[in-house]
Formats: sequence, C-alpha cells, structure tokens
Amino acid sequence: EVQLVESGGGLVKPGGSLRLSCAASGFTFSSYAMNWVRQAPGQGLEWVSAISSTSTYIHYADSLKGRSTISRDNAKNSLYLQMNSLRAEDTAVYYCAREGGNYFNDYWGQGTLVIVSS
Amino acid sequence: QSALTQPRSVSGSPGQSVTISCTGTSSDVGGYNYVSWYQQHPGKAPKVLIHDVSKRPSGVPDRFSGSKSGNTASLTISGLQREDEADYYCSSHAGTYTFVFGGGTKLTVL
Repeated sequence: EVQLVESGGGLVKPGGSLRLSCAASGFTFSSYAMNWVRQAPGQGLEWVSAISSTSTYIHYADSLKGRSTISRDNAKNSLYLQMNSLRAEDTAVYYCAREGGNYFNDYWGQGTLVIVSS
Repeated sequence: QSALTQPRSVSGSPGQSVTISCTGTSSDVGGYNYVSWYQQHPGKAPKVLIHDVSKRPSGVPDRFSGSKSGNTASLTISGLQREDEADYYCSSHAGTYTFVFGGGTKLTVL
C-alpha cells in the first residue's frame, strides 16, 4: 500500500525557518517524481515545488522561489522541503504527493500544518 | 503562474448531471493534454479522479468523465450521489515540471 506521511509542521514566527519531511513507503520511491502542494485555510490548492526522481530537475512556484529548497533522499525514501524567511501567507497545510505519470498526482499524504504567526 | 478559472460553486440533485469548467490559457490547459481533476472532502487529502484530460484511474466510477476544448477543460459528474458533495480542483501542466491548479469548485448535492 502506498503511504506518504508528512511531518515537521508547526508554529513558527515570521522570518523563521522550517523543514518539512515526507516519508514514503509501499512503492519504489526512487522511480517517481514528487511534489509539494499547499492549501491555505479555507483556500484552494497551490502547487509549491517539484523534484524529478533523480533530483535532476527541480522547480518552484514563484511564491516560494528563493525561499525554499526541495530535496530527496532515495536511500531513505524521503522527500524534504526547507522553507526560509517564512511569511504569514505561507500558513497552510503542506501535502507531499507522488507524480503518477503525466503531470498528475496519484497519491497524497494527509498533510502537515504550518502556521506562521508571531 | 495564474490559477486556472473554475466556478466557485455548482449544485445538482441526486441522479442529475453537473459539469465543472476549468479555463486556462494556451500556456497550460490549451497547450498540453495534461489536465487532471481532484476531489477533496473536508479535512481530507485530494483524490485524483481524472488525468490526461479524460483518463480515469482504476477504482474511479465511470460517472466521472473529463474533456477539453481549446483552453477549457471540463469535468462531468453524471448520476449525482450524496457522497459526491465535495470540492473539485482542476490542474494542468504549465511548462517544464510546473503545475497550476484551479481555484476550486464546491459541489452541493441538493
């Protein structure tokens, strides 16, 4: 069974940093591109970042470009998102998702909540 | 990376059909056959219903169908059921390894 479990969310002050993790199991993690998608409270989904299976290709949404770093450790079946210079508008549930094929996400974690507030 | 445009809400009675539109540009929806649709119930993670414009993953009922014309994609739900009440999001490939989502549509089953 495919499982994605996010962790690392929490309350952080504006300007602070946070590292999110996503532990994957039930599939060959190293064969799949992965994404981070976030959802602000009561709002829609927003794609945040993508990383190819071997980390060759990495892309970010404009909203987090320059403030975040996506990475993965295929030996540990883990995906990460390092976020810096956090702002109130970064408050959201952050989901990790497996890219199942042609640019769609077929499995999603349950999300981890990040709250940026003083 | 502007969000795709979806109606804020749609509604229908059990057994009826509803269609949710998703309008983008030639740089996303119109430029690629990589539109997907997701269903999200409150407090839950999204679930993929449609990918590659019109393909259904295994386990998704054939009541859900997708199509595209020009810069607009559509999700049609036929034979509405109470459990279909949820938020629906479209998504499209928008250039090298980037995605864009729609703003979401709340479906109410009357």
